[in-house]
Amino acid sequence: EIVLTQSPATLSLSPGERATLSCRASQSVGSYLAWYQQKPGQAPGLLIYDASNRATGIPARFSGSGSGTDFTLTISSLEPEDFAVYYCQQRANWPPYTFGQGTKLEIK
Amino acid sequence: EVQLVESGGGLVQPGGSLRLSCAASGFTFSTYWMSWVRQAPGRGLEWVANINQDGNEFYVDSVKGRFTISRDNAKNSLFLQMNSLRVEDTAVYYCAREYTGWGFDYWGQGTLVTVSS
Repeated sequence: EIVLTQSPATLSLSPGERATLSCRASQSVGSYLAWYQQKPGQAPGLLIYDASNRATGIPARFSGSGSGTDFTLTISSLEPEDFAVYYCQQRANWPPYTFGQGTKLEIK
Repeated sequence: EVQLVESGGGLVQPGGSLRLSCAASGFTFSTYWMSWVRQAPGRGLEWVANINQDGNEFYVDSVKGRFTISRDNAKNSLFLQMNSLRVEDTAVYYCAREYTGWGFDYWGQGTLVTVSS
């Protein structure tokens, strides 16, 4: 089973700042990595697929990069609605699909 | 508009059974892989099981032999039969559509399963 480790666990930033979230895989997942956003009381929503492709309707301030074992989700300039929990997920080697433990992006 | 609506959650004693349902609409259900993903209270996401268009099933090890995923393409419905439930199965269970090559692109609102005596 591929283990995904996200860092940091919590990121405290202010609106307008740049956010950089990390996801590291225990073995290569190629580019088969997705990112999801989850707000309190809501289901997750797909942001990025295949490491760097924005899903339909996702604003350009969200970008993903990386391949192999190291991945990054960047939010270029934080909007108030971006404060949420973010999860990475791999589909390279399944079952099972696996998720990272999440990074909570909170308002500083 | 794509919609996924789960139902069937509730309180059950350890060792008991529960059947979750997911009603799909707004897309051609029969052409998509479908998954169940769960989230224990205050915890992260865990993929539970999925099923392809032909009914082939896959599970995470922790539920193998206890849970069964199934689908009724004629009724645009996904199911999860959960037997021998354990306290650690307590979670919100989400139904999610898999978009090939992307990931889970649509999710339901979730249904809460609580396993407790």
